[in-house]
Amino acid sequence: GAGVSQSPRYKVAKRGQDVALRCDPISGHVSLFWYQQALGQGPEFLTYFQNEAQLDKSGLPSDRFFAERPEGSVSTLKIQRTQQEDSAVYLCASSFSSFEGYTFGSGTRLTVV
Amino acid sequence: GESVGLHLPTLSVQEGDNSIINCAYSNSASDYFIWYKQESGKGPQFIIDIRSNMDKRQGQRVTVLLNKTVKHLSLQIAATQPGDSAVYFCAEKECTNAGKSTFGDGTTLTVKP
Repeated sequence: GAGVSQSPRYKVAKRGQDVALRCDPISGHVSLFWYQQALGQGPEFLTYFQNEAQLDKSGLPSDRFFAERPEGSVSTLKIQRTQQEDSAVYLCASSFSSFEGYTFGSGTRLTVV
Repeated sequence: GESVGLHLPTLSVQEGDNSIINCAYSNSASDYFIWYKQESGKGPQFIIDIRSNMDKRQGQRVTVLLNKTVKHLSLQIAATQPGDSAVYFCAEKECTNAGKSTFGDGTTLTVKP
């Protein structure tokens, strides 16, 4: 597609529920990134894929967070047993290589109640 | 620890004036820098980047300056327009860490007609 597509656009989850956030990167983009953005702050790195390989997951806040990209295209970020502190916008970005500007999606706004 | 920060959280300019947005970084290992623009409800949008072997790079109406001696980055926008109103983030990356970009907290630019 023309851009990075994320779904759902908004998600409200009850505390303790599991959620899955989807990212469709730009076709042909090898690198895929997940970021978390709290209100009024800059994005914080979560994890990075090169094709299907997850090369860096150092930013995942806890073992409740899990990301995958099994076929090297679509990626899913899963959060288990959501907590209120997980409320944020989750941004996905892709690029052809790691050292160029990313194309970000519009994000998924997650609210945990 | 490493951090990327901006000198001013808000900047207000008159339409047609030039804008300068500043960014200080502390990680001396950073060697790739990017400026992003984020409008409300959207993901960050790539504006311009610069590598550490350069001290200036120009784009369309934008110029990025890099001073590695004092670890300072700036974004200059010429003839600022109302459509330039947004939050601007600087981000940095190390060549040894292809995945992670570290973002600052952003400067909100408001352009007055």
